[in-house]
Amino acid sequence: DQQVKQNSPSLSVQEGRISILNCDYTNSMFDYFLWYKKYPAEGPTFLISISSIKDKNEDGRFTVFLNKSAKHLSLHIVPSQPGDSAVYFCAASWGGGYNNNDMRFGAGTRLTVKP
Amino acid sequence: EAQVTQNPRYLITVTGKKLTVTCSQNMNHEYMSWYRQDPGLGLRQIYYSMNVEVTDKGDVPEGYKVSRKEKRNFPLILESPSPNQTSLYFCASSPPPPHEEQFFGPGTRLTVL
Repeated sequence: DQQVKQNSPSLSVQEGRISILNCDYTNSMFDYFLWYKKYPAEGPTFLISISSIKDKNEDGRFTVFLNKSAKHLSLHIVPSQPGDSAVYFCAASWGGGYNNNDMRFGAGTRLTVKP
Repeated sequence: EAQVTQNPRYLITVTGKKLTVTCSQNMNHEYMSWYRQDPGLGLRQIYYSMNVEVTDKGDVPEGYKVSRKEKRNFPLILESPSPNQTSLYFCASSPPPPHEEQFFGPGTRLTVL
């Protein structure tokens, strides 16, 4: 049972435009959400996170939005750059668990930004 | 440089031949874990360790063993590898959870024939 779902395996956008990556979750216990970015032949690296007490968190070109009622979060990249081309993983965890066994990852979305 | 290292990066082996994938971190993190990444399934946790001599099963522990004798090292052991363990493996470390970002190693691509 995949508790975190990224329904779009891939996304292609033009350089300078907005990229929107989506993530849905089913477990209402999740209270913290993270996005990781992964380049080929490298491990995932942390990008941005958001707590369930917020509905938006911004860091430069990256903004994550959280809609708790819909159990949905999205990552916006504006403007998109070719160097943003990577696989993006959504992850969710809950604070009641004292271990990251309570963190779940989505399947990933491959973003391609075309020059 | 703060990092998580894994060795080997690539490995092709045959069914039943025991192997170990090493993982080491230099950030003095208490928490370490192993994941496997498979197409369409994302990252699934195999085992994790809250500290030295403390390990526990993740979501997909069957066929794997781990040990945590030192804080910096967390090897993954496949006693008798099978083809369904062909995958991309990542080691990660972090300060104690919850809600801490994890630092991932570069990955080990394992093929079991």
